[in-house]
Amino acid sequence: NAGVTQTPKFRILKIGQSMTLQCTQDMNHNYMYWYRQDPGMGLKLIYYSVGAGITDKGEVPNGYNVSRSTTEDFPLRLELAAPSQTSVYFCASSGLSEDLQETQYFGPGTRLLVL
Amino acid sequence: GQQLNQSPQSMFIQEGEDVSMNCTSSSIFNTWLWYKQDPGEGPVLLIALYKAGELTSNGRLTAQFGITRKDSFLNISASIPSDVGIYFCAGQGYSGGYQKVTFGTGTKLQVIP
Repeated sequence: NAGVTQTPKFRILKIGQSMTLQCTQDMNHNYMYWYRQDPGMGLKLIYYSVGAGITDKGEVPNGYNVSRSTTEDFPLRLELAAPSQTSVYFCASSGLSEDLQETQYFGPGTRLLVL
Repeated sequence: GQQLNQSPQSMFIQEGEDVSMNCTSSSIFNTWLWYKQDPGEGPVLLIALYKAGELTSNGRLTAQFGITRKDSFLNISASIPSDVGIYFCAGQGYSGGYQKVTFGTGTKLQVIP
């Protein structure tokens, strides 16, 4: 399994531009999440999904949108990029581990710089 | 949003020394997770704890799920240079119908060879 993959790895945007951060998992997990991590801080939840067709807001959803048309994919959309959205974005999925416990796995992250 | 209190924030240790870090929360969690994050990478799960009082080891790492379900600690024995990184605790529990994971602010570990 590739696990959780994210693209792009790094992107520079101008203020007001839009972009989509891609996230794919091949573990057939129902739960998927988007976090942002600001320098020296922990992770804050932006949006999450409990299954295809179902999404909901996390702690910091303003300025973002998501969709979940398939189990595998959970893209994050920035419509009007702002400097405050400069951050590292991590996608994660969770499902049952080998010992049948719910465990969360992270992608490698997307670094976004908004100028 | 809630964050866990994780301490220490950073530490410098000599190679071969043991390390201890902990997390406390005002909320009860069903699961405690410990992650390590290397520069430019996503967090990687080190240890997961599912029961209050549980003590689990993974090589040189040992972690415990506090009896009150509001705290956890991680110990690293005989540290080596590749232990350098940021360690995050996370508490997991159902909230509003989904598995909510709350992260600590991280402990930055530097190992001096």
